[in-house]
Amino acid sequence: GESVGLHLPTLSVQEGDNSIINCAYSNSASDYFIWYKQESGKGPQFIIDIRSNMDKRQGQRVTVLLNKTVKHLSLQIAATQPGDSAVYFCAENNYGQNFVFGPGTRLSVLP
Amino acid sequence: DSGVTQTPKHLITATGQRVTLRCSPRSGDLSVYWYQQSLDQGLQFLIQYYNGEERAKGNILERFSAQQFPDLHSELNLSSLELGDSALYFCASSVVGPGSDTEAFFGQGTRLTVV
Repeated sequence: GESVGLHLPTLSVQEGDNSIINCAYSNSASDYFIWYKQESGKGPQFIIDIRSNMDKRQGQRVTVLLNKTVKHLSLQIAATQPGDSAVYFCAENNYGQNFVFGPGTRLSVLP
Repeated sequence: DSGVTQTPKHLITATGQRVTLRCSPRSGDLSVYWYQQSLDQGLQFLIQYYNGEERAKGNILERFSAQQFPDLHSELNLSSLELGDSALYFCASSVVGPGSDTEAFFGQGTRLTVV
């Protein structure tokens, strides 16, 4: 079946550097994408979303890029902080259907 | 606080037993989703309800069932429990309906341990 996957299962970055987490999706009909952050022992927390009619969306220190041509999604975190350490999931949605999650990338911020 | 409430937070039970997990969605949200997360694994979609009706089904075992009540809270029933059912079970809710999309908000999860 169609699924969402991630290129990098783990990512270590120095505090203050920028982080880029990537995601590949295979369902071309997906029209809505979300990045979630999950800290240990907690539920996933919404970070940022993007609809398929957009290429880029910016939030506070985070930017999501969507490349529909190659079915690729990325999350950029500027000036990564220790509190950013978590597992990040991308999720896709198609017209209000269930959210399909990727396997997750663990981000580790080094002092 | 996401506004989604799940109870209980922790549950320990023996193999073969049956448990019920409860979820109260955010006020106004009509959709409820259930996900299973095993240790260091991703979120596996189980089932979705919208306004009391089953909307989508994922890899949910026949031993598992769910329902959404008129007050929109939902319950996930797990029966004939096996050791492999030990996992975090998350509930999420959103206002999403047919033809629309919006983010889903997750509860803190129920950690089920089957011994």
